[in-house]
Amino acid sequence: NAGVTQTPKFQVLKTGQSMTLQCAQDMNHNSMYWYRQDPGMGLRLIYYSASEGTTDKGEVPNGYNVSRLNKREFSLRLESAAPSQTSVYFCAVLAGGSDNEQFFGPGTRLTVL
Amino acid sequence: AQSVTQLGSHVSVSEGALVLLRCNYSSSVPPYLFWYVQYPNQGLQLLLKYTSAATLVKGINGFEAEFKKSETSFHLTKPSAHMSDAAEYFCAVSKSNFNKFYFGSGTKLNVKP
Repeated sequence: NAGVTQTPKFQVLKTGQSMTLQCAQDMNHNSMYWYRQDPGMGLRLIYYSASEGTTDKGEVPNGYNVSRLNKREFSLRLESAAPSQTSVYFCAVLAGGSDNEQFFGPGTRLTVL
Repeated sequence: AQSVTQLGSHVSVSEGALVLLRCNYSSSVPPYLFWYVQYPNQGLQLLLKYTSAATLVKGINGFEAEFKKSETSFHLTKPSAHMSDAAEYFCAVSKSNFNKFYFGSGTKLNVKP
């Protein structure tokens, strides 16, 4: 039972390159989230998905796209990376009902040169 | 719009001393409130949550927080700090649908021997 997994753990890109960050859960929950964490700014929501096939924008969606093709996976794509997207990216899963706890993945540290 | 303010980006206490980390929120509706802890190079882990039940909430590792509506605060406390408490702490707020979570900028706790 791995919980929430993210790949890759580290990535270095050049400006203009594209990449997809992968997130997968084995917890069978509906809601999934993508955040970015920058020093002194806490976590900011990029996109979230309330269920398979649905996605909505968060606070900072510009420059990102997401895909939720099935319940288990939620991917984040950078089409043309910019240095401002250098950050640590976290995926999270919400355990609903009376629990309402978010479970976080270990993060992906992305550097854009 | 909801927002969370954490006063003090860095807090330093001696081992055995009281820990007090401050969190104030702004919300147009009664919110759900959370405290998370992040150890270096890891994802976030839930410490405790307020979901409109008891105003004094007890969490893991001896931490507790009190919801004070009149002060719009949800401060985190621990009577006696331990070296293992050194980490970064985040306060977060969400509405009842939990579609979006808003995080504070974080407080790094340093515990001196």
